[in-house]
Amino acid sequence: DTAVSQTPKYLVTQMGNDKSIKCEQNLGHDTMYWYKQDSKKFLKIMFSYNNKELIINETVPNRFSPKSPDKAHLNLHINSLELGDSAVYFCASSQVVGSSYEQYFGPGTRLTVT
Amino acid sequence: GQSLEQPSEVTAVEGAIVQINCTYQTSGFYGLSWYQQHDGGAPTFLSYNGLDGLEETGRFSSFLSRSDSYGYLLLQELQMKDSASYFCAVGDDKIIFGKGTRLHILP
Repeated sequence: DTAVSQTPKYLVTQMGNDKSIKCEQNLGHDTMYWYKQDSKKFLKIMFSYNNKELIINETVPNRFSPKSPDKAHLNLHINSLELGDSAVYFCASSQVVGSSYEQYFGPGTRLTVT
Repeated sequence: GQSLEQPSEVTAVEGAIVQINCTYQTSGFYGLSWYQQHDGGAPTFLSYNGLDGLEETGRFSSFLSRSDSYGYLLLQELQMKDSASYFCAVGDDKIIFGKGTRLHILP
């Protein structure tokens, strides 16, 4: 069984478009995250939700809007896509809030903006 | 500011032992974790140190010294499949990952 799943796996779109990435975890964890990994493999946290409530909101353009309909799902919507948004986006979940301990990552969504 | 420093690349020989160091600077501290990421894959959790000392998990061990703000990941009996990037990470009021160490293994 897949622990953390993301869709789509690949996303190619043009500048200015709006797109969404979906994430689901079946681990029963209370905390979910969105990370961005750029071409240099730098992994940076974007958002963190605990039990559907936003607890970490890094300095991310407000074109990025997360939404957690329930604690098993955390979606990411991106408006007005820019070339610099091209990256791999990882969803993750964990049972421990505010710690780097034992986070489970999804397979990633490779976003390419042309 | 908050930061983690780790070498960008390390090369070792199959069957040998390699150590990947990580130094951190954070305002708070909730433990040091290590993650492995193969090319094209997702990060996977390897180890965690919440207290000083050595944690062993099979061929992998991790060490933490909070007084020195320093930790390391030790990989023993290296196998070709260990070729990957290794990230240290800390939790504070937010979670920070190091920039990763690319481990190259020579046959």
